[in-house]
Amino acid sequence: GAGVSQSPSNKVTEKGKDVELRCDPISGHTALYWYRQRLGQGLEFLIYFQGNSAPDKSGLPSDRFSAERTGESVSTLTIQRTQQEDSAVYLCASSLEIRNTGELFFGEGSRLTVL
Amino acid sequence: AQSVTQLGSHVSVSEGALVLLRCNYSSSVPPYLFWYVQYPNQGLQLLLKYTSAATLVKGINGFEAEFKKSETSFHLTKPSAHMSDAAEYFCAVSGAAGGSYIPTFGRGTSLIVHP
Repeated sequence: GAGVSQSPSNKVTEKGKDVELRCDPISGHTALYWYRQRLGQGLEFLIYFQGNSAPDKSGLPSDRFSAERTGESVSTLTIQRTQQEDSAVYLCASSLEIRNTGELFFGEGSRLTVL
Repeated sequence: AQSVTQLGSHVSVSEGALVLLRCNYSSSVPPYLFWYVQYPNQGLQLLLKYTSAATLVKGINGFEAEFKKSETSFHLTKPSAHMSDAAEYFCAVSGAAGGSYIPTFGRGTSLIVHP
């Protein structure tokens, strides 16, 4: 597709369940980012990938969060044993490469609700 | 670490009035600065960016922003608001102290436009 695609667009789950969120970046974009947007708050950086590597995982909120990227394309963000505070919109973005002047292209987000 | 402060979580203007959304950043080196807009249920899209060229930057939809180093500010303006400008606006900084290439976003400002 022409833009960043995320799925599911909405996910409602019960506390304690695992969830997987998927991101398809723009073809050819080597850099991929995950942010979290809680209601009424700004974007919280979670993790980025350069190719298939994630050099810095310190932004992940806890060890229940993990992410991977394969084929320098699709990325999956996994949240294990979900908690109510995990409820948020998870945004994925991609860019041609990691450089500080580059524009990020965002998907529409995956809205996660943990009951 | 780089950071961004957006003054005012909500700004309300009348249609046709001046729009002013404030953004201040912290950095000890020249940063790269961005404004993104998020319409309801959509991902963020780039409005404009400053990358050390002209200090007055023009973006899409009639918006512009001026980089003022002495004030560490990058305020977003538009001479005449339109109903379609109602959205969430995010200021972001990258490449600041510490050399982070990952954009840091502000908490966002919701622009409300009254008829």
